[in-house]
Amino acid sequence: SAVISQKPSRDICQRGTSLTIQCQVDSQVTMMFWYRQQPGQSLTLIATANQGSEATYESGFVIDKFPISRPNLTFSTLTVSNMSPEDSSIYLCSVKVRGSSNPYNEQFFGPGTRLTVL
Amino acid sequence: AQTVTQSQPEMSVQEAETVTLSCTYDTSENNYYLFWYKQPPSRQMILVIRQEAYKQQNATENRFSVNFQKAAKSFSLKISDSQLGDTAMYFCAFKRGSTLGRLYFGRGTQLTVWP
Repeated sequence: SAVISQKPSRDICQRGTSLTIQCQVDSQVTMMFWYRQQPGQSLTLIATANQGSEATYESGFVIDKFPISRPNLTFSTLTVSNMSPEDSSIYLCSVKVRGSSNPYNEQFFGPGTRLTVL
Repeated sequence: AQTVTQSQPEMSVQEAETVTLSCTYDTSENNYYLFWYKQPPSRQMILVIRQEAYKQQNATENRFSVNFQKAAKSFSLKISDSQLGDTAMYFCAFKRGSTLGRLYFGRGTQLTVWP
């Protein structure tokens, strides 16, 4: 398994500002993902954070709005830029752990960041 | 494209009783995995149980078991001897068999266990 921490755990932000969310893992992982969970909704994949290269974004999400960094195998950031109230969501980091101990390539999730945009 | 459908937005059950949550999915893949995740009020997503599509035997984890019907593309979760701590949102999820496969989630079922 993997222990994943996210900062901040929650924040309230003003419209038009940006927030950077950090995801830290206690072990090296093959892949890191960022999901959004809007109120009362399921999880939607925003992008896959690739180490050493640009993130791979899902349809409907763009780099200018959600820039992502992954400088190494244990850390990633997601920035929510030029925020509007529609960006109010929980943002979750998820990882896949290396190795034969994880034959399902199971994904583990961080505790999430609850963002409210006023 | 893969889709996952959970038709029950909310369910409730008395403590110690049994409840079944339904999930159906649509895919043209033959090799895939299915998961049930639990999200309690703490927001932490916790893996409850997993099933490999090529295994006919239904997965079981203590009080949690699945009824996997591959032909019908159905993957229901049975919780036996329900406990108050089982109160959570439950998400059904699908992953293609490739190592790069992303997770596709259903909309979730909010389960409440009453004393």
